[in-house]
Amino acid sequence: DADVTQTPRNRITKTGKRIMLECSQTKGHDRMYWYRQDPGLGLRLIYYSFDVKDINKGEISDGYSVSRQAQAKFSLSLESAIPNQTALYFCATSQGGNYGYTFGSGTRLTVV
Amino acid sequence: QKEVEQNSGPLSVPEGAIASLNCTYSDRVSQSFFWYRQYSGKSPELIMSIYSNGDKEDGRFTAQLNKASQYVSLLIRDSQPSDSATYLCAVTSNTGNQFYFGTGTSLTVIP
Repeated sequence: DADVTQTPRNRITKTGKRIMLECSQTKGHDRMYWYRQDPGLGLRLIYYSFDVKDINKGEISDGYSVSRQAQAKFSLSLESAIPNQTALYFCATSQGGNYGYTFGSGTRLTVV
Repeated sequence: QKEVEQNSGPLSVPEGAIASLNCTYSDRVSQSFFWYRQYSGKSPELIMSIYSNGDKEDGRFTAQLNKASQYVSLLIRDSQPSDSATYLCAVTSNTGNQFYFGTGTSLTVIP
């Protein structure tokens, strides 16, 4: 089993729909992150969490919300999806600043 | 100014040659530096980390860091077609709480 699991792998949804992307990890890491990747724009941070009670906005949090249900689970929600949220979304975990991220396999989201 | 900048490429090198990838960053306080490899449609994979000025070698990969000039580079010796991918440079923020990523350099190794 993968260390960081994202579901679903692919999703097509309609404008205005609510959608949740889920991430679970078996690394035992406290730090979890959500990024989106767009061609030419690279990876941009949406939200991050260092603890179940700790949630922090990244550079592009508007239109998104998150929930840290447990140390191992971190979900990203799009309350009302819009087409410019079409992107590849990655969950990542880390032990801390001097350690790199472990990425999940990604969720390809298309909003039509 | 972006926190991390990379040439987008594409960079093409013949098989067996040295590929050189460069990255500059804006925050002088950054402490940790990483290189990730990302194959098309896949997730980024950590290949090198470096924290001190100088060179760090791991197999065919060498990371180089110059904090005074605020650049970090990755050399790939004896390039193989399987090295064809996008390489992402990542730098820790001044708080150490997150990484900033460059947009990546696309590398193609020609057999």
